Amino acid sequence: DGGITQSPKYLFRKEGQNVTLSCEQNLNHDAMYWYRQDPGQGLRLIYYSQIVNDFQKGDIAEGYSVSREKKESFPLTVTSAQKNPTAFYLCASSIGSRYGTNVLTFGAGSRLTVL
Amino acid sequence: AQTVTQSQPEMSVQEAETVTLSCTYDTSESDYYLFWYKQPPSRQMILVIRQEAYKQQNATENRFSVNFQKAAKSFSLKISDSQLGDAAMYFCAKATYKYIFGTGTRLKVLA
Repeated sequence: DGGITQSPKYLFRKEGQNVTLSCEQNLNHDAMYWYRQDPGQGLRLIYYSQIVNDFQKGDIAEGYSVSREKKESFPLTVTSAQKNPTAFYLCASSIGSRYGTNVLTFGAGSRLTVL
Repeated sequence: AQTVTQSQPEMSVQEAETVTLSCTYDTSESDYYLFWYKQPPSRQMILVIRQEAYKQQNATENRFSVNFQKAAKSFSLKISDSQLGDAAMYFCAKATYKYIFGTGTRLKVLA
């Protein structure tokens, strides 16, 4: 079945450590996105990529980094510069690169907790 | 700044009854898309329904329908014959060049 796989589902990080969240899709979608979800705040865009080897900052990119070396993969690194990284992270993809008008397909999410 | 407002943090409905979730938005654009996404306890979000702003006809997907009032910038979701599996967080979203999500409404379905 086609879909988006996020791993790990749960991740614990000590302060000062970088961690990388994996996102892989087999839907042949061009565009991929990372969202952060906090209670009572909806979803906020961290980064998005419309094509391989290209990505753009979203609304809350500070303290995060991404890469898009393959169409299928869009890993997110939460760096030590992110002051409040404890959150639920959702990866999504869409069939086209016309961001905003395409339906998003989501992964199951990754819960990051800073100890 | 463009916003999407869901004024009901939580709602309850009896099984088999009908419930309406509210969503209003702010925009200066004439062409955009509106969505309702469902986030069940598994936390994987799925699309419920989509509406294109230039279409006056309200979208319908089985038990789910919308009441789209473009002039009022309102986009409510009606769930008919509510089922236990409908219990979830529901997010309203508006999209043009980017998605803007509301803060969500938690729907409880009572047996």
